[in-house]
Amino acid sequence: AQSVSQHNHHVILSEAASLELGCNYSYGGTVNLFWYVQYPGQHLQLLLKYFSGDPLVKGIKGFEAEFIKSKFSFNLRKPSVQWSDTAEYFCAVNDGQNFVFGPGTRLSVLP
Amino acid sequence: DAGVIQSPRHEVTEMGQEVTLRCKPISGHNSLFWYRQTMMRGLELLIYFNNNVPIDDSGMPEDRFSAKMPNASFSTLKIQPSEPRDSAVYFCASSPSGRGGTQYFGPGTRLLVL
Repeated sequence: AQSVSQHNHHVILSEAASLELGCNYSYGGTVNLFWYVQYPGQHLQLLLKYFSGDPLVKGIKGFEAEFIKSKFSFNLRKPSVQWSDTAEYFCAVNDGQNFVFGPGTRLSVLP
Repeated sequence: DAGVIQSPRHEVTEMGQEVTLRCKPISGHNSLFWYRQTMMRGLELLIYFNNNVPIDDSGMPEDRFSAKMPNASFSTLKIQPSEPRDSAVYFCASSPSGRGGTQYFGPGTRLLVL
């Protein structure tokens, strides 16, 4: 069965630090990849998605993610985080049959 | 576009009572998903409808949980009888193209069973 892992359970950064959140999946075929963000007390919102084409995907709020097929990875990056980026981040993978979310990474940005 | 609408936003009930959560998907979307989110178990898919038909209910915890989608614009998730361990945030999401499409989430219903 498809599985999604996220490397870090909780990441703590200071404002202006660079961010990279890891995401790996297990399926070897064609996949669609997503990052969702959940701000405290709110619902999941789509941050960015990859279906095909350029493996470097740009999303909202300065986030980007890179699909590396050989590594089964879809890591999320942001060059300079802000306090308002404090949230939980979920990676998700769709293989056409199943839509699977990772366990989430909690990001805390210190002002 | 109003997005996915869920009601109620908060529900507090006593153990043994029936709870009904409601969801209105985005117009034109053909797929609807119910998720449960807890600190311990994270985000869990409970059930998935496509064109109003339940396709995958393998995530439904037990017989106390049931879900219906009588038409394309409305779905319910019912818990009867409710138990304290059902306390969680329940999210509804809809997609324009089945499991292959982007899912758009509602604001969630925060359920507390005392």
